[in-house]
Amino acid sequence: GAVVSQHPSRVICKSGTSVKIECRSLDFQATTMFWYRQFPKQSLMLMATSNEGSKATYEQGVEKDKFLINHASLTLSTLTVTSAHPEDSSFYICSASSTRTGDEQYFGPGTRLTVT
Amino acid sequence: AQTVTQSQPEMSVQEAETVTLSCTYDTSENNYYLFWYKQPPSRQMILVIRQEAYKQQNATENRFSVNFQKAAKSFSLKISDSQLGDTAMYFCAFTRTSYDKVIFGPGTSLSVIP
Repeated sequence: GAVVSQHPSRVICKSGTSVKIECRSLDFQATTMFWYRQFPKQSLMLMATSNEGSKATYEQGVEKDKFLINHASLTLSTLTVTSAHPEDSSFYICSASSTRTGDEQYFGPGTRLTVT
Repeated sequence: AQTVTQSQPEMSVQEAETVTLSCTYDTSENNYYLFWYKQPPSRQMILVIRQEAYKQQNATENRFSVNFQKAAKSFSLKISDSQLGDTAMYFCAFTRTSYDKVIFGPGTSLSVIP
């Protein structure tokens, strides 16, 4: 099956700093990537949808100036959490899809962000 | 808007027994896809099984099978011969197409007891 990676797997940053999370499709070209956020013992909540070469579409309630998403190539999307605060601490998961993957999205392993 | 509901926050089953996880959803779409995902302690999302709404036949994958009732908007997962490795969170999910967002239910925490 298709493989999606995320880097880093864990990151700790200080309050007020910014942190970038990368999502890569390793063996296919992802026309669409999705970013989800998951709090402990809760479900995945979609933050935004990004299509290669265009601006991301954010879900209602997600601050686009705080969570910057870039999908500059067909294999890479990045999520930058700007001016991070402790309440931004969470598990961030990306997924990717393309015409090759058919009717399935492939998920990355996730990134645990801790803001101190 | 589409919604997915899982009414069982936690379930447990004895090893080798059968368990059924419930899921209902709401949509006005006629064509869509339904999934069950497993999330073990590693947090990696693993696709267990998927069902295309236009197919009447229930999907099966080895020990996993679904009961898809389109009119009732119900999509339950049956796990046969439960194994310790089946212990995980299970999410029921809906999407219109692979290019569309996936909407997840709240999840069911399944524990397989030896």
